[in-house]
Amino acid sequence: AQSVTQLGSHVSVSEGALVLLRCNYSSSVPPYLFWYVQYPNQGLQLLLKYTSAATLVKGINGFEAEFKKSETSFHLTKPSAHMSDAAEYFCAVSRGAQKLVFGQGTRLTINP
Amino acid sequence: DSGVTQTPKHLITATGQRVTLRCSPRSGDLSVYWYQQSLDQGLQFLIQYYNGEERAKGNILERFSAQQFPDLHSELNLSSLELGDSALYFCASSVGTYASTDTQYFGPGTRLTVL
Repeated sequence: AQSVTQLGSHVSVSEGALVLLRCNYSSSVPPYLFWYVQYPNQGLQLLLKYTSAATLVKGINGFEAEFKKSETSFHLTKPSAHMSDAAEYFCAVSRGAQKLVFGQGTRLTINP
Repeated sequence: DSGVTQTPKHLITATGQRVTLRCSPRSGDLSVYWYQQSLDQGLQFLIQYYNGEERAKGNILERFSAQQFPDLHSELNLSSLELGDSALYFCASSVGTYASTDTQYFGPGTRLTVL
């Protein structure tokens, strides 16, 4: 069965600092991996997805993630945090056009 | 704006009642998914429809049912509501082919409060 584990339910960084949100996956076959963002009182918006084309995936709003098979990880990073990045971030795994299995989410707080 | 619409935005009802949540997928998408987001369970997949047919089922209670109509909109019916059914219900849509890496696009959600 597929699953994802997000390490840290809450991450706090200063404005301008590096953002690192961790996600490890468990899958018996090569997975598709996704990062979604949820702003307060809104739906989920896709940030980026890994589909085996390239291990380093660039997404919207300056975010990127690197697929590391040896570490079964797909961590999300952004070099410089902005106040507008404050939101909840979800890592998810799927196989093709099937259900998404989400992690528990990481709430990102940006300190001025 | 993802192109997926959900109505209503908010729903407040009492225990034992029945409600219907509606979802219209993005133009051209054949697959519709329903997810439930609650504080204790997180984001959980409920059910998927593809072009009118049920394709996959997740942790959906027997009190809940869904369908997808010929115009591809979908409805999630929740009956005999309990306090624990209070949650955000999201609909997502995708092209729906098995072999592709298509993305699921999420609607804004319906917040259900059961009193």
